[in-house]
Amino acid sequence: GENVEQHPSTLSVQEGDSAVIKCTYSDSASNYFPWYKQELGKGPQLIIDIRSNVGEKKDQRIAVTLNKTAKHFSLHITETQPEDSAVYFCAATIKAAGNKLTFGGGTRVLVKP
Amino acid sequence: GAGVSQSPSNKVTEKGKDVELRCDPISGHTALYWYRQSLGQGLEFLIYFQGNSAPDKSGLPSDRFSAERTGGSVSTLTIQRTQQEDSAVYLCASSLADGGGTQYFGPGTRLLVL
Repeated sequence: GENVEQHPSTLSVQEGDSAVIKCTYSDSASNYFPWYKQELGKGPQLIIDIRSNVGEKKDQRIAVTLNKTAKHFSLHITETQPEDSAVYFCAATIKAAGNKLTFGGGTRVLVKP
Repeated sequence: GAGVSQSPSNKVTEKGKDVELRCDPISGHTALYWYRQSLGQGLEFLIYFQGNSAPDKSGLPSDRFSAERTGGSVSTLTIQRTQQEDSAVYLCASSLADGGGTQYFGPGTRLLVL
């Protein structure tokens, strides 16, 4: 089955700096890679996703890159703000397997003002 | 429109009791998923429903766990004879049938087994 590793588990950055979270996956058939942000007491919210036919996607201060050969993908947050503080989860799925998401262990991001 | 809703938001029960957790998916979403999130951990897949197909139960941790989806909409996750290790947040998500994987999550039900 799919296995997703996520690093780091915690990340503290100064407001305005960039944050990078990295994930690796095991199954080369994985073709969809979403990132979720989870605030305390809430369900995960999709913030950006990427499919295996592209290498990079950007949405304002958030970008995701995918390296299919190395089987890793990363989330980049630029100009971090205190409201970016949350737990971030990467995930990978195989469409042929019913789109079940396999999640990384999460990264707790703290943006210090 | 409304997002995924779950009830109850919190549930405290005694060891050995049965509990039922409810999920109302986004209208029109034919795929529905249940996940479990233990404190400070990632999300663990439990079960997946897609239309009228047989559900994928490959993630259910034991036969004490079961789920059904009536009329292709509302789903109920049942845990029989609850154990303390069942304490977790149970999350439901839904997606379009051919949405390519985009899943939208509900707020979760926080279950505490004493």
